[in-house]
Amino acid sequence: GQQLNQSPQSMFIQEGEDVSMNCTSSSIFNTWLWYKQEPGEGPVLLIALYKAGELTSNGRLTAQFGITRKDSFLNISASIPSDVGIYFCAGHQGAQKLVFGQGTRLTINP
Amino acid sequence: NAGVTQTPKFQVLKTGQSMTLQCAQDMNHEYMSWYRQDPGMGLRLIHYSVGAGITDQGEVPNGYNVSRSTTEDFPLRLLSAAPSQTSVYFCASRPTSGSGSPLHFGNGTRLTVT
Repeated sequence: GQQLNQSPQSMFIQEGEDVSMNCTSSSIFNTWLWYKQEPGEGPVLLIALYKAGELTSNGRLTAQFGITRKDSFLNISASIPSDVGIYFCAGHQGAQKLVFGQGTRLTINP
Repeated sequence: NAGVTQTPKFQVLKTGQSMTLQCAQDMNHEYMSWYRQDPGMGLRLIHYSVGAGITDQGEVPNGYNVSRSTTEDFPLRLLSAAPSQTSVYFCASRPTSGSGSPLHFGNGTRLTVT
């Protein structure tokens, strides 16, 4: 099946630092999505990207849909303790199937 | 508004046993799907449905059956559980089958097969 390569797998940062993670694929995706998962819960959508080159912000979060349509990044500025969790990129393989990356586990030291 | 409700939250099975993981949504969503989450592998699609009476296979369908007799419910059946099916299972739904609407996830069922 289609693979999304997400990196890094884990990050350990100090509160207040900026965070950057990315996702790449060998194939083109028409939609890129970024989800966050907290312990004991399902993933929750953070940002959705629908056009190549699109740059979208949601508060301290910024994500971009790569021009080649094969990659996307997510930045978090001025991290706070509640940013802790696992972040997943996802892309649509056709209209019916959403493919997920392996996740980036974010840990923040206060 | 309950959203997507999964039951049970936790389950332990012995190898060979069968069980059904329940998923219900009260948002009148056409599209429903099941994912499994394993460490280091993200979420992988098991089965999905674009409407009542219609189901299709995802990336890892073997060992699982689904049916969609109503819009609200999308149960996932394990006919003969195996240790390889130890995982966290998530049900998700969205309004339409198109890629424009985001998935809403339940809180998961943690299954252990011994």
